[in-house]
Amino acid sequence: KAGVTQTPRYLIKTRGQQVTLSCSPISGHRSVSWYQQTPGQGLQFLFEYFSETQRNKGNFPGRFSGRQFSNSRSEMNVSTLELGDSALYLCASSFGYGGALLYGYTFGSGTRLTVV
Amino acid sequence: QKEVEQDPGPLSVPEGAIVSLNCTYSNSAFQYFMWYRQYSRKGPELLMYTYSSGNKEDGRFTAQVDKSSKYISLFIRDSQPSDSATYLCAIPLDQGGKLIFGQGTELSVKP
Repeated sequence: KAGVTQTPRYLIKTRGQQVTLSCSPISGHRSVSWYQQTPGQGLQFLFEYFSETQRNKGNFPGRFSGRQFSNSRSEMNVSTLELGDSALYLCASSFGYGGALLYGYTFGSGTRLTVV
Repeated sequence: QKEVEQDPGPLSVPEGAIVSLNCTYSNSAFQYFMWYRQYSRKGPELLMYTYSSGNKEDGRFTAQVDKSSKYISLFIRDSQPSDSATYLCAIPLDQGGKLIFGQGTELSVKP
């Protein structure tokens, strides 16, 4: 079966711009989580969506937002990009809420965002 | 103090060696502990998880938790070049998908 698909794979943006990243979960999965991975901070939780509702949020500024559609696809948006937003953004999907323990998470390969 | 600490390495070993990867955590209330493996240009994949203290074995991999010292370990026996990857310890914070990860240890197994 198809895995978690993230598009685009690579992106270069200029400071001050905004960006939208897309995540298509595994078919049948209804929970999507987003993580930011940087060399300095490692993997950090951004937010989690289940049934189109944000269920959990990490400690990121309001410039980071997301949403989930009725088909479980999710997007995250970063407005007013800063150099420090350069990172690998990973999406993980799971069958249900409580996925980490109950159902397990499958990560996509990520979107590499570079802000110049 | 970070909630989960992990030595980022890098760690280089010869093929066939026993590898020990370690993390420490700060909150004694944590009950579940996970190990993820991440190959270059890929997302992390779950290797195994343990509950509370004790050992769990899966093939060449053994996960160990010592709650008294807040120490978790992953041992790889008979390491192979295909084990070359970054290994991340992770702890779920709630019933949802929020995991806190260690920094990750980059492992290289040389033929």
